[in-house]
Amino acid sequence: GQSLEQPSEVTAVEGAIVQINCTYQTSGFYGLSWYQQHDGGAPTFLSYNALDGLEETGRFSSFLSRSDSYGYLLLQELQMKDSASYFCAVRDSSYKLIFGSGTRLLVRP
Amino acid sequence: DTAVSQTPKYLVTQMGNDKSIKCEQNLGHDTMYWYKQDSKKFLKIMFSYNNKELIINETVPNRFSPKSPDKAHLNLHINSLELGDSAVYFCASSQDISGGLYGYTFGSGTRLTVV
Repeated sequence: GQSLEQPSEVTAVEGAIVQINCTYQTSGFYGLSWYQQHDGGAPTFLSYNALDGLEETGRFSSFLSRSDSYGYLLLQELQMKDSASYFCAVRDSSYKLIFGSGTRLLVRP
Repeated sequence: DTAVSQTPKYLVTQMGNDKSIKCEQNLGHDTMYWYKQDSKKFLKIMFSYNNKELIINETVPNRFSPKSPDKAHLNLHINSLELGDSAVYFCASSQDISGGLYGYTFGSGTRLTVV
């Protein structure tokens, strides 16, 4: 079957660094994406990794290891506005974007 | 504004009714989607259209019927609404069927409550 595993909740302090892990098992793999969703809002696209390694976009970085079926989202210099849910997602061989169950990040002052 | 817009934002209706949700994107994207987000925030694909052609049709009750009159519009019609249909429905679009490099752009969602 297809599944993505990520922690349900993570808490961190403002200014700190936090890593949200994601492991996946899908039929076919065409890249790992990350989305952010604030309460009551829409998911917004953060990053995409098709190849192994680290991709950096400002305070956010995303990593992929295809051999380990594993990736993570790294958030640096945390701000209160980063409190949100973060979803990893994998596109499978049938063009479906399958989402993980989401990690709720709470940033404390 | 360039965006994915869906209407209505809120929909409260009685069991057994028929309702529609409309979605439009002005991003020039080829591919559009309907996702359902349940109370536990789990996002599940329902349908996808690429240039008006249905390419993904997940196992959803046949009371749900999508329709894409052109590649900028994707509507969702739901017949005989049930309590379990209560959820947030998101429309999304992507540049092409791969949807990878630039991701999906989501609409603001329609919160459907069936009473």
